Amino acid sequence: AQKVTQAQTEISVVEKEDVTLDCVYETRDTTYYLFWYKQPPSGELVFLIRRNSFDEQNEISGRYSWNFQKSTSSFNFTITASQVVDSAVYFCALSEKTDNFNKFYFGSGTKLNVKP
Amino acid sequence: DAGVIQSPRHEVTEMGQEVTLRCKPISGHDYLFWYRQTMMRGLELLIYFNNNVPIDDSGMPEDRFSAKMPNASFSTLKIQPSEPRDSAVYFCASSPGGPGGLPQHFGDGTRLSIL
Repeated sequence: AQKVTQAQTEISVVEKEDVTLDCVYETRDTTYYLFWYKQPPSGELVFLIRRNSFDEQNEISGRYSWNFQKSTSSFNFTITASQVVDSAVYFCALSEKTDNFNKFYFGSGTKLNVKP
Repeated sequence: DAGVIQSPRHEVTEMGQEVTLRCKPISGHDYLFWYRQTMMRGLELLIYFNNNVPIDDSGMPEDRFSAKMPNASFSTLKIQPSEPRDSAVYFCASSPGGPGGLPQHFGDGTRLSIL
């Protein structure tokens, strides 16, 4: 079973639309960390956010917001008023502790196309 | 501050050749990660080090792959002999110490093509 599932392979929106990228994770740990990364067409991976399992507060950073819900094992990412520069592949990732060391898992990514 | 530095940026070589990818982590970062990204398999963690010691190498595909970290400022990922299916973008990342793996800072990647 996938540890991190990003069911949306590709999403296309028109500029200024809001868009939500879904992330569902699976873990038995009580302490774990969730991340979102952005990979623009230039190819580099850029860290966006880190969340630990004890902090379910939603977070907002400019046009970006994250909704962490342990009850549904989801960590969804919303971009408000999308812009063309938001076009990228977005990865959700999980870090959990297994056998005394951390294991890291990335989702398969969601490609976001924002059209002018 | 300089970010994670990877070299070369691109490598094209013939199958059977030895390939060495290099990485210089951000100074002061205790963790170093090697990832591989392909269209088919997405982003895969190959191995990571903590304080120069390999911690989890369960993602290393086979014996043809090896990684070393002789000191805190340098790591290599070697493929010998290389095969066409090794063609991918290889990323190195580093992060400071701490639980859960604080945000990983990625290098620009090495695009490897094995002919």
